[in-house]
Order: sequence, then C-alpha cells, then structure tokens
Amino acid sequence: NAGVTQTPKFQVLKTGQSMTLQCAQDMNHNSMYWYRQDPGMGLRLIYYSASEGTTDKGEVPNGYNVSRLNKREFSLRLESAAPSQTSVYFCASSDLYSGGDQPQHFGDGTRLSIL
Amino acid sequence: AQSVTQPDIHITVSEGASLELRCNYSYGATPYLFWYVQSPGQGLQLLLKYFSGDTLVQGIKGFEAEFKRSQSSFNLRKPSVHWSDAAEYFCAVVPWPSSGNMLTFGGGTRLMVKP
Repeated sequence: NAGVTQTPKFQVLKTGQSMTLQCAQDMNHNSMYWYRQDPGMGLRLIYYSASEGTTDKGEVPNGYNVSRLNKREFSLRLESAAPSQTSVYFCASSDLYSGGDQPQHFGDGTRLSIL
Repeated sequence: AQSVTQPDIHITVSEGASLELRCNYSYGATPYLFWYVQSPGQGLQLLLKYFSGDTLVQGIKGFEAEFKRSQSSFNLRKPSVHWSDAAEYFCAVVPWPSSGNMLTFGGGTRLMVKP
C-alpha cells in the first residue's frame, strides 16, 4: 500500500525559479493538505482541499498556489521561490466525510532548498 | 489565541526508563487530540487519538496518553523506552467545531534515548 506519495523527495532551486510539488494518495480520501515544517514550529498548514473541486487557504498561504487535479492528486506550486520557502513540505490526506475525527495520513516529505 | 504547546523541545531518557511528553492546548471546547511520531527523514505516523469517552487511550508501540480536561492537557507516556523510540513527537488538535479537519500542531519534542 503506497498511501501518500510525494515527488520529488529533494529539490534545490534558485531564488525566483518556479516549481510544482506533486502529491497523490491511493486511499480514496476526500480531503488533502499541504504543510510546511520548520524547526521548532511544528507543521503549519499552507492550503487544504476538503473535497475534490475545492481549495482553501491555511495558516501560511502566501507565495503558494494549489491545484486539486482530481480526487487522488493535490499539487503545490511555488511561482517565484524565495529563500524563506526553504523547508520540508508534507502532503497529507484524510477521509473528512467520516467526521473531523479521522486522522491524517502523511507522505514522506519533500526537502526544498532555495538559494 | 488558540494554540498547542509542547513545553519540552528536547528530552533525553535512558533506555528502559519511563517517558512522559507534555502537551497543552488552549481551545474553548474539547478538541480532537492526536499524537504523531516522526522518525528522521520520514513522514508523520499516528500514535494515538482521543475524541471522547475513556480519558486514557492506548496507541501503537506501547504508548498511551491521558486527556485531562481540567488541565487542558494530553500527555503522552510510555513505561519503558526503547532505543528505537528516538524520534520527534508532535501533539496536534482539530478544534471543535472545525472546518476541513485542519490539524494544528505543537512545536514538537525531540526524544533522545541513551543506551
């Protein structure tokens, strides 16, 4: 069982470059999420998609865009990368319609460095 | 402001010793509560969760947590730590009521285990 798959696992960008982080889940979950993890700050929500066709901002959305391509896939795009976006990015999914008590399942992360 | 606090950034215990990791939250109503563990270079794995009912919940890998409403706490415990428990631990909540099943994380506690 693959669960949540993120690509790429590592990436180095120059300031101003753009890139898209990919995420796919095979658990037939309705909801998907993008977080960033920075030392001492836990994980902070960037964007989420409660269901296919909807997306909403989280705590730290500035500088990012997302696309819920279909029920399985949820991508995160950096249009013009900045050094402050150096972080580890995690995608997660959950079955929202079973209630807010459903745990989120996480991918292994994308380690992004912006020079 | 609503928040999740993990007061201990680092904890070191000897193998075989007991462990308690602290978590406090500040929400008006009892949220849904979770503990996740992150091994180096990996994503987050759910250890246990609390929604209602018995305030002592059992999780995987021999962990348990106790919800104390009066203290707004959800501390994680293990009677005897193994070297493989060395990892970072995150407390997280879904506030109730919540839109989108959004998790708010504490800053994390890094556990080191001495032989």
